[in-house]
Amino acid sequence: VMTQSPATLSVSPGQGATLSCRASGNINGNLAWYQQRPGQAPRLLIYNAATRAAGIPARFSGSGFGTEFTLTITSLQSEDFAVYYCQQYNNWLTFGGGTKVEIK
Amino acid sequence: EVRLVQSGGGLIRPGGSLRLSCEASGFTVSTHYMSWVRQAPGKGLEWVSVIYRSFTTYYADSVKGRFTMSRDNSKNTLYLEMNRLRADDTAVYYCAGPSGDLHDAFDVWGVGTLVIVSS
Repeated sequence: VMTQSPATLSVSPGQGATLSCRASGNINGNLAWYQQRPGQAPRLLIYNAATRAAGIPARFSGSGFGTEFTLTITSLQSEDFAVYYCQQYNNWLTFGGGTKVEIK
Repeated sequence: EVRLVQSGGGLIRPGGSLRLSCEASGFTVSTHYMSWVRQAPGKGLEWVSVIYRSFTTYYADSVKGRFTMSRDNSKNTLYLEMNRLRADDTAVYYCAGPSGDLHDAFDVWGVGTLVIVSS
């Protein structure tokens, strides 16, 4: 089970945001982060816990190993307000419940 | 450019059947593995099924025994055969997966197709 927190995060544009994802068991570094904007398919941001996918801005960074993971977004832009999901692919494929980043 | 083009979906009565298709371009779907993921209205992402290079398939408990995922290598296309559909199968269905074998995350996604199960 993948647990994301908080469920909703209110942030002012230009501020930073830290999203958390906890696994119920050790998943090593086999974790991805996705961004989903309204009406769109998810987009891969981070894979293997800390590697940015192609074309992803440097303001997105991931960290963690084992059971605790973090997605950090520095200086939020208008296009960053979206829902973020973590996914583990260490043992089957499981998504977290998501964190909605909204404008404060 | 890597791309997944989805087709199928629509309105179906409970107990009915439907087949979704997902044609890939720019990469080969048999290289690594591919999945179907669904999203009920206003809800999060739910993994549905996976097919590996070997044609081995696995399913979420919620669809096991009712859904069948398959692949046609000659058409570079994935399929999801959905039987005995229920109201709680209503969702947008995405095909997704890694476009290569560099990593196991889903770097390519279809645009999604809506399935509505209702009488």
